[in-house]
Amino acid sequence: AQSVTQLGSHVSVSEGALVLLRCNYSSSVPPYLFWYVQYPNQGLQLLLKYTSAATLVKGINGFEAEFKKSETSFHLTKPSAHMSDAAEYFCAVSGARGTYKYIFGTGTRLKVLA
Amino acid sequence: NAGVTQTPKFQVLKTGQSMTLQCAQDMNHNSMYWYRQDPGMGLRLIYYSASEGTTDKGEVPNGYNVSRLNKREFSLRLESAAPSQTSVYFCASNAKQGDDGYTFGSGTRLTVV
Repeated sequence: AQSVTQLGSHVSVSEGALVLLRCNYSSSVPPYLFWYVQYPNQGLQLLLKYTSAATLVKGINGFEAEFKKSETSFHLTKPSAHMSDAAEYFCAVSGARGTYKYIFGTGTRLKVLA
Repeated sequence: NAGVTQTPKFQVLKTGQSMTLQCAQDMNHNSMYWYRQDPGMGLRLIYYSASEGTTDKGEVPNGYNVSRLNKREFSLRLESAAPSQTSVYFCASNAKQGDDGYTFGSGTRLTVV
């Protein structure tokens, strides 16, 4: 069975500082991994995905994530935070090929301080 | 605009009332999903439809029913609403299994009083 743990329900960073949002997964099969962003009163938007190609994945808005099998992690990073990055971020895992369902983490709310 | 459309955006129900949440996608996606979002609990899968003509239970199906009306439309019905069903409901779809990320609708905020 698959599961996702996001460490830190709230993260605050200063504008221009590094953003690091943590995601650890559990999966009995090679996973697909995703990061989504949710702005207030909106649906979720796909930031990036890992599907067993390159382990370093680049997404939209300058975000990237690195798949580390040995650490079962898929942390999301951005070198320099912008005020517009303030949102809630969700990590999700999908299991074996042919598995439709994604399991979502509980989310991390990012606050960017001026 | 192409995407997933949910109606209504907001709804207030009294306990025991019924209602249907509508979802339609125009991307020719095979699979559709209903999630609920509650504070501190992330998104939990209610029901999904892997393809037209099939539906399956997710993590929290009790109190809900679904209908995959055709390839485009997937509705969620609350037969007898309860305060515990107060939540934000999201519909999502994707084209193929596993590695194709979801496209989400903008959500329905439901309050049951």
